[in-house]
This record gives sequence, structure tokens and C-alpha cells, in this order.
Amino acid sequence: EAGVTQSPRYAVLQEGQAVSFWCDPISGHDTLYWYQQPRDQGPQLLVYFRDEAVIDNSQLPSDRFSAVRPKGTNSTLKIQSAKQGDTATYLCASSYGAEQFFGPGTRLTVL
Amino acid sequence: QQKVQQSPESLIVPEGGMASLNCTSSDRNVDYFWWYRQHSGKSPKMLMSIFSNGEKEEGRFTVHLNKASLHTSLHIRDSQPSDSALYLCAASLNYNQGKLIFGQGTKLSIKP
Repeated sequence: EAGVTQSPRYAVLQEGQAVSFWCDPISGHDTLYWYQQPRDQGPQLLVYFRDEAVIDNSQLPSDRFSAVRPKGTNSTLKIQSAKQGDTATYLCASSYGAEQFFGPGTRLTVL
Repeated sequence: QQKVQQSPESLIVPEGGMASLNCTSSDRNVDYFWWYRQHSGKSPKMLMSIFSNGEKEEGRFTVHLNKASLHTSLHIRDSQPSDSALYLCAASLNYNQGKLIFGQGTKLSIKP
């Protein structure tokens, strides 16, 4: 069974630039999560979907971040105008039931 | 505010020794605890989960939960160098609720 896939694996931006992250969950998993993990810290949930519906986006900085999952499968997380404080690894996870399975992450550096 | 606190922040254990990691939730609504392991540069992978008071053992790993104090601990016996990793504790309101609140992690190093 293929795992959660993410792309790109790395991104380096200047402040003010935009970037998009893409996630392909495990086939059949109805729930998809985006987490932000600063270096040497635990992941922090940004947003999660069940099928195409947003269940919780309360921790998503809505002025610059957006996330969609239009067909209930793949998902895109976008940062409109990146800041140095956005430097982190962005993890996508999926689940069908309780256990969440994580992808390899996208390591973002904002200079 | 941090609702899941882990201690210690870092831990060095000799190979073959016992590693003990702690985690407490300040949110009395949580009911479920999860332990994930994250090797450097890799994604977190679930080790064990626990929902009932008491103890659960899988191989070299044992998890305890005290629901009254919302405290869980992970114990690794006969530690191996491959156990060196960031150990993450997470809590959720219910089994399928989806939203995991992670602690900041404990960085475990096993010294040969």
C-alpha cells in the first residue's frame, strides 16, 4: 500500500513570495490533515478535512494561508506571502479511523 | 497555551538501559493518548495508543495511563541506538475525533 505522498520535499523562498504544497493521501482515507512542525518541536494542526469539507481550520492563519481539498482526495496548502516565521516542515497526514499516517513533509525555509 | 506537556525535553540513555518519558494533558476533556516516534528527517510514526487506565505492553515498549491525572508515560527497555529519535505524545478528545494535540516532544539519544 502506498503511503502519503507530498511535494515538493523542499522549498526556499524570500519573504513575500507565495508557495503551494501538495498532498496525496492514502487511497480510501477520508480524513486529511495539515500540520506545521517548527524545528525540534511537535506538530501543530493547521487544518483538517473530512472528504471535501473543512472540519477545523481554527489554527490556520487565514490572512495568508489557505487549504483546499476539492474532490475529497488530494489537497493543496498555499501560503500567499511567506514570512520568516513560516520556516518549518509542513506535514500532511491521512486517516480512516483513529490512526493518522504522515507523509514525508515539505521543509520550507523563508529567507 | 500548551495543552500537552512532555518531560524531559531531552534524555540520554546507555544502550541496553531503560528510557522513561512523561506526558501530561492540562485539558480535562481529552480521553485518548498517542505516542509517535520521529527519526531525524523522517515523518512521525505511531508507536502505541492508550485509552484505558493501566498499562499496555508491546515488545520492548510499555505505556501507562492514569486518567485521573491525565498522565501517560512511555518506557523503553533494552534501549537500542535505533531508538534514538524525537518521541511525541498527542492527545485527542475521542477515538475518531481526528484532532490531535501534540506535545513539544522528548529527544531521546541512546549511547552505545
